[in-house]
Order: sequence, then C-alpha cells, then structure tokens
Amino acid sequence: AQSVTQLDSHVSVSEGTPVLLRCNYSSSYSPSLFWYVQHPNKGLQLLLKYTSAATLVKGINGFEAEFKKSETSFHLTKPSAHMSDAAEYFCVVSDPYNTDKLIFGTGTRLQVFP
Amino acid sequence: DTAVSQTPKYLVTQMGNDKSIKCEQNLGHDTMYWYKQDSKKFLKIMFSYNNKELIINETVPNRFSPKSPDKAHLNLHINSLELGDSAVYFCASRGRGGLETQYFGPGTRLLVL
Repeated sequence: AQSVTQLDSHVSVSEGTPVLLRCNYSSSYSPSLFWYVQHPNKGLQLLLKYTSAATLVKGINGFEAEFKKSETSFHLTKPSAHMSDAAEYFCVVSDPYNTDKLIFGTGTRLQVFP
Repeated sequence: DTAVSQTPKYLVTQMGNDKSIKCEQNLGHDTMYWYKQDSKKFLKIMFSYNNKELIINETVPNRFSPKSPDKAHLNLHINSLELGDSAVYFCASRGRGGLETQYFGPGTRLLVL
C-alpha cells in the first residue's frame, strides 16, 4: 500500500534562512508525489508535483523538491524563508491503481520567525 | 473568479440534524471529490465522481450521500449528524488525464454540538 510519512509535525525557521520539510514515501511502483500547502483557514494549493520526469522539481514561490528513489524521499526545500510561507504543508502520493485517489501525509506546520 | 467554491463556509448545527454542503467548479473538470480533514489536520478522501458517476466511496457511513446534479456540481448531504462529523470538508476537482492537478475549494468548517 502507498503511504507517505512526514517526519516533522512542526518546523520553525527564521526569516531568510533555508527551509527543509521532510517526506518519505512507501510505494510498490514508481510513485507520483506532490506537495500541497494550506494557509490558515484556506483551501489547499499545489506547490509542485513529481511524475517520473526530472527528479528535481521546481514549484511555486521558490519551493523545490528532489525525488530520491534510493532514499524513498521527496523533501521540500526553499533557500530563504519568507513570513508568508508560514502554513501547513502536506506531502501526498497518488495510488497507482487509482490515480484519482490521493493519499496525504499528516502535515508539517511551518513557522517563520522575524 | 473562484475555481472551486463551497457553501457554506461555516456550519454549526445540533446532533441529529440533516445538513448539506454545496460545491461548484467552473474549470470544466470531469472529476470532483469530497475530502474530510479532522481536528489533527489529517485529510482523507471520501468520494469521487466522474461525470456524475460515483467512482470512489471510501468506507464512509451511509449517512453521507453525495449528489452530482451535473458535472460542475457535487453536493454532500449528511443525515443524523454526529459529534464525530465535526471537521473541515473540502471539495476538489480535476481535469482529464491520470495525473492532472486536483484543485481544492476553501473548505466548509462543520461543527456539530
């Protein structure tokens, strides 16, 4: 069965410092992986997705993620945090038997301090 | 214009009541979904519809009944509301193709007292 594990429930960084949000996946097949962001009291917005093309995926707002098959990881990074990045981030894998079905991680809350 | 919209945004009701949440998408997508996000922020799919036909039904109590009058709308009706139904419910839609992005609505915050 497919699953994702987000290793940190909370991450705190200072504005201007790098961001690293960790995600490991479990999948029998080559997975499709996504990162979604949820700002307070808002819906979810897609940051980026990996669909077996380039292993380094660039997304919106300066975020990127690297698919590493050997480590079964898909960590999200950003070189320099901005106050507006404070939100909940979800790592997501799609079910290869039913790509309609997204399986969400438990989320990582990113706090950004001035 | 909002791509995926939901009404109401907030819903506070008593146990045992019946309520509906409406969802509309103006993206021309064929597939729509309902997700439930619990108090720990965990998101899980409940239903998906493709062109008004039920595709996914994830072991949701039959008190929950989705209805799709046309492919731009997917409403969620909940009978006999229970305390455990309190959550945020998200509607989403997706275009054709296996890995098209799902676009989410702003959510409906349901509180059952």
